[in-house]
Amino acid sequence: QKEVEQNSGPLSVPEGAIASLNCTYSDRGSQSFFWYRQYSGKSPELIMSIYSNGDKEDGRFTAQLNKASQYVSLLIRDSQPSDSATYLCAVYNFNKFYFGSGTKLNVKP
Amino acid sequence: GAGVSQTPSNKVTEKGKYVELRCDPISGHTALYWYRQSLGQGPEFLIYFQGTGAADDSGLPNDRFFAVRPEGSVSTLKIQRTERGDSAVYLCASSLGRGSGGDTQYFGPGTRLTVL
Repeated sequence: QKEVEQNSGPLSVPEGAIASLNCTYSDRGSQSFFWYRQYSGKSPELIMSIYSNGDKEDGRFTAQLNKASQYVSLLIRDSQPSDSATYLCAVYNFNKFYFGSGTKLNVKP
Repeated sequence: GAGVSQTPSNKVTEKGKYVELRCDPISGHTALYWYRQSLGQGPEFLIYFQGTGAADDSGLPNDRFFAVRPEGSVSTLKIQRTERGDSAVYLCASSLGRGSGGDTQYFGPGTRLTVL
């Protein structure tokens, strides 16, 4: 079983819609949770971090964490074509970051 | 100052050869991570340095892989007797290394290694 699981997609949404990206993790002791965006051929860049249960909002992005269900999600409101990328979920546990395989998001104009 | 830099950006080598990949972290960042990313996969943890010491090297796949960070800044990932399966993008990331919660990592542009 992989540490972090994500649906590979692609997830296609029309411009202006809400994109919902999901991630589950296996280790209940995981401490911190991150969402990265990776454009093709580029390195990952951090979008959001979340450390406690509930929602965390930053502009058009909302991260949601449910430790009981071992579930992390990212909502992107008013999706733009420039949001088209692969979104990586990462979980931090004892010095290591475990990454999912990423979900590819396509935002159609 | 500048972000994380990695050299070379591309490296093509032949099976069995030795390669060195270099990472120059953000100034003042004490934590440094090496990852390997294959096509269609997320970054895979290799090794974590806190200062000069390798705090966790459990991700190194075998003893052909070795990394150093002698002065607590620049790090070199060394791969001996390269195999075709080593072909991937090798990413380096650094962070302030302030605590145990996992602070923000900043990734370098990566080195694309191709083993022929």
